[in-house]
Amino acid sequence: EAGVAQSPRYKIIEKRQSVAFWCNPISGHATLYWYQQILGQGPKLLIQFQNNGVVDDSQLPKDRFSAERLKGVDSTLKIQPAKLEDSAVYLCASRETSWVAEAFFGQGTRLTVV
Amino acid sequence: GQQVMQIPQYQHVQEGEDFTTYCNSSTTLSNIQWYKQRPGGHPVFLIQLVKSGEVKKQKRLTFQFGEAKKNSSLHITATQTTDVGTYFCAALFNAGGTSYGKLTFGQGTILTVHP
Repeated sequence: EAGVAQSPRYKIIEKRQSVAFWCNPISGHATLYWYQQILGQGPKLLIQFQNNGVVDDSQLPKDRFSAERLKGVDSTLKIQPAKLEDSAVYLCASRETSWVAEAFFGQGTRLTVV
Repeated sequence: GQQVMQIPQYQHVQEGEDFTTYCNSSTTLSNIQWYKQRPGGHPVFLIQLVKSGEVKKQKRLTFQFGEAKKNSSLHITATQTTDVGTYFCAALFNAGGTSYGKLTFGQGTILTVHP
C-alpha cells in the first residue's frame, strides 16, 4: 500500500514570496490533515478536511494561508505572503474516518523563509 | 480545552536506563494514540489505547491509559540507542462541532540515549 506522498521535500523562499505544498493521501482515506511543526515542538493542526470539505481550520492563519482539496483526494496548502516565522516542516496526514483509526504521515516539506 | 499536555519536554538517559513520558488532559478522552518521530523523520504510529485502565505492551514499551481516561503514559524499559527520538501522545477531539475526529498532539518528549 502506497503511503502519503508530499512534495516538495525542501523549499527555501524569501519573505513575502508565495509557496505551495502538495499532498496525496492514502487511497480511500477521507480525513486529511495539514500540520505545521516548528523545530522542537509538536505538530500543530492547521486544517482538517473530510473528503473535500473543511471541518476544522480554527488554527489556520487565514490572512496568509489557504488550502483546498477539490476532488476529495489530493490537497494543496498555500502561503502568501510568507513570513520568517512560517519556517517549519509542513506535514500532511491521512486517516480513515473511524475514531479508532491511526494517522499516516507523509515525509513533510521543510520550508525555510529567509 | 482541546489540548493534551506532555511532560517532560526532554529526557536524557544512559543506555540501559528506563524512560517514562506522561500525557494529561483536563477532559475525558475517547482514546489516546502514541507516535514516535525519529530525528529528521515524520511521526509514526505506535499504539492506541481505548479502554479505561488499559495497559498494552510492545516488547520493552508499556503504554497505560488512566482509569479516568484523562492521562496516559509510555514507559520504556532498558533503553537502547535505537529508542532515540521524540515521543508524542495524540488525542481525538470533535472537529469544529462535527462528529469527525480532530487529532491533537502533545508537545512531545525528546529522548536522547547516551551509549
